Amino acid sequence: DQQVKQNSPSLSVQEGRISILNCDYTNSMFDYFLWYKKYPAEGPTFLISISSIKDKNEDGRFTVFLNKSAKHLSLHIVPSQPGDSAVYFCAASGINTGTASKLTFGTGTRLQVTL
Amino acid sequence: DAGVIQSPRHEVTEMGQEVTLRCKPISGHNSLFWYRQTMMRGLELLIYFNNNVPIDDSGMPEDRFSAKMPNASFSTLKIQPSEPRDSAVYFCASSSWDRSSYEQYFGPGTRLTVT
Repeated sequence: DQQVKQNSPSLSVQEGRISILNCDYTNSMFDYFLWYKKYPAEGPTFLISISSIKDKNEDGRFTVFLNKSAKHLSLHIVPSQPGDSAVYFCAASGINTGTASKLTFGTGTRLQVTL
Repeated sequence: DAGVIQSPRHEVTEMGQEVTLRCKPISGHNSLFWYRQTMMRGLELLIYFNNNVPIDDSGMPEDRFSAKMPNASFSTLKIQPSEPRDSAVYFCASSSWDRSSYEQYFGPGTRLTVT
């Protein structure tokens, strides 16, 4: 049962344009969401996160939007740069009980930013 | 600062052999996670520890897999006996829940090939 879904395995965007990566989740207990970026032969690196009490979080060129009623989040990258070409993973976590909580990851979307 | 350290980076072994993967978390982090990445299933959590104690091992595929964390600076994931379907990239990640953060920091991974 895939609780976090990234339905687009790949996305190609021209440099300078907007990249929009989507993620859906099914577990209503998730209350914190993260995006990770992964280059080949490296581990995933944290990019940006959002708590369920917010609907938007922005960090430079990266903005994450959360629609709780639709159980959907998206990552916007504006403007896209060739260095953004990587696999992007969406992850979700439940209520922080005071100990580290496990993350449930999607299967990833490969973003290719073309010149 | 040193990040999460994993060894070996690559491992090729024959079916039936024992494989041991090693991880050194970031100093001061008190939670450690083992993940497996495959094309079909993406990033799956295998097991995680808080303060060296295993909290959730529900992701461990079968009894052939075992993980230990004898102290705060070292963990192992062992597969005995190994099978070709265990071929994957195995990631270790650590985090510090004292910061009230869900963010996990990943190592570079160990690519395991079982022939």
